[in-house]
Amino acid sequence: AQSVAQPEDQVNVAEGNPLTVKCTYSVSGNPYLFWYVQYPNRGLQFLLKYITGDNLVKGSYGFEAEFNKSQTSFHLKKPSALVSDSALYFCAVRDGSTSGTYKYIFGTGTRLKVLA
Amino acid sequence: DTAVSQTPKYLVTQMGNDKSIKCEQNLGHDTMYWYKQDSKKFLKIMFSYNNKELIINETVPNRFSPKSPDKAHLNLHINSLELGDSAVYFCASSHGWTELKYGYTFGSGTRLTVV
Repeated sequence: AQSVAQPEDQVNVAEGNPLTVKCTYSVSGNPYLFWYVQYPNRGLQFLLKYITGDNLVKGSYGFEAEFNKSQTSFHLKKPSALVSDSALYFCAVRDGSTSGTYKYIFGTGTRLKVLA
Repeated sequence: DTAVSQTPKYLVTQMGNDKSIKCEQNLGHDTMYWYKQDSKKFLKIMFSYNNKELIINETVPNRFSPKSPDKAHLNLHINSLELGDSAVYFCASSHGWTELKYGYTFGSGTRLTVV
């Protein structure tokens, strides 16, 4: 069964410093990986995805993520954090099946706190 | 314009009551979902409909019944509400293979509190 792990409940980083939010996955077949962000009292917003191709994918708001097949990881990164990046971040994996009965499995979320 | 809208935003009700949450999307998507987010922020899929057909039905108490009158609507009816049903319920939608490009679009959630 596919699964996603986000080992850190919370990540604190100073504004202007680089940030990393970790995600590891376990899937059968090719992994389709996603990052979503949730601001307070809001629904999740799509940030970026890895389907195939370059291991470094770029997304919204200056975020990027690095896919590492050997380590089964898909860490979210940003070179310079902003206070406004403070939110809850979810990693998700989708089964690569083409049968149509797929679903996303979300990680438990990592709260990012950027300190001014 | 709101892409995925849920009503109500907040719902406080007593144990044993029956309630419904409505979801509508104006994106022309063909698949809609219900997710439950518990107090620890853990997100778990409950149901998914594709073109009004139920395609995912996770292990959810049968007190929960989804209904999709058309592709743009997916409602969630809950019978005999229990304290453990308290959570935030998110509706989401996606469209075919563009889902791999743009992901899901989520509503802003319905916070259900059972007292």
